[in-house]
Amino acid sequence: AQTVTQSQPEMSVQEAETVTLSCTYDTSESDYYLFWYKQPPSRQMILVIRQEAYKQQNATENRFSVNFQKAAKSFSLKISDSQLGDAAMYFCAYRREGSGNTPLVFGKGTRLSVIA
Amino acid sequence: NAGVTQTPKFRVLKTGQSMTLLCAQDMNHEYMYWYRQDPGMGLRLIHYSVGEGTTAKGEVPDGYNVSRLKKQNFLLGLESAAPSQTSVYFCASSYSLWRVEAFFGQGTRLTVV
Repeated sequence: AQTVTQSQPEMSVQEAETVTLSCTYDTSESDYYLFWYKQPPSRQMILVIRQEAYKQQNATENRFSVNFQKAAKSFSLKISDSQLGDAAMYFCAYRREGSGNTPLVFGKGTRLSVIA
Repeated sequence: NAGVTQTPKFRVLKTGQSMTLLCAQDMNHEYMYWYRQDPGMGLRLIHYSVGEGTTAKGEVPDGYNVSRLKKQNFLLGLESAAPSQTSVYFCASSYSLWRVEAFFGQGTRLTVV
């Protein structure tokens, strides 16, 4: 079974600084997708960024970028120019590609605090 | 466009009571999921459905039942609620094939006393 590990239960960053959240995963599959979801205090799950395993180029979305290391099974999220609104729980998630659409497998989350 | 809507948003149950959580999506998604979120545990899959009339067990299915009689609705039932089922429940849905990210409802906070 696939597993996703987020080794940092809590992180903090100064406003305008850069922070990196770590995620590792375990799978025997070669085709899959990886995601970072943000959960602010409102509880809403918001997709931040996604990465297809077959793509070598790291995904970017404005201030958010990933460092995808397929061989090491590592998928870290970098947040640049951190803002107060970035404070939230961040979840790393994995989905296998294949026939049928398989469910997301989540890590336990990292709580990010942004210090003004 | 409502997306994924969960009903109710909050509920308090007594041990042994039953209830049904409703999830409705208006995006014509084939796949729907129920997760529970507990502190320090992330989101864990309870049950899921790959199409109307189908359901499958996830990681933590015990104590829950589900039904997908209509494509747009996915119901989660608790037949006899227990304090261990106190949690925040999330419904999600996704397309098949080319769109793989899941869209989430706003969550239901359930407390069993």
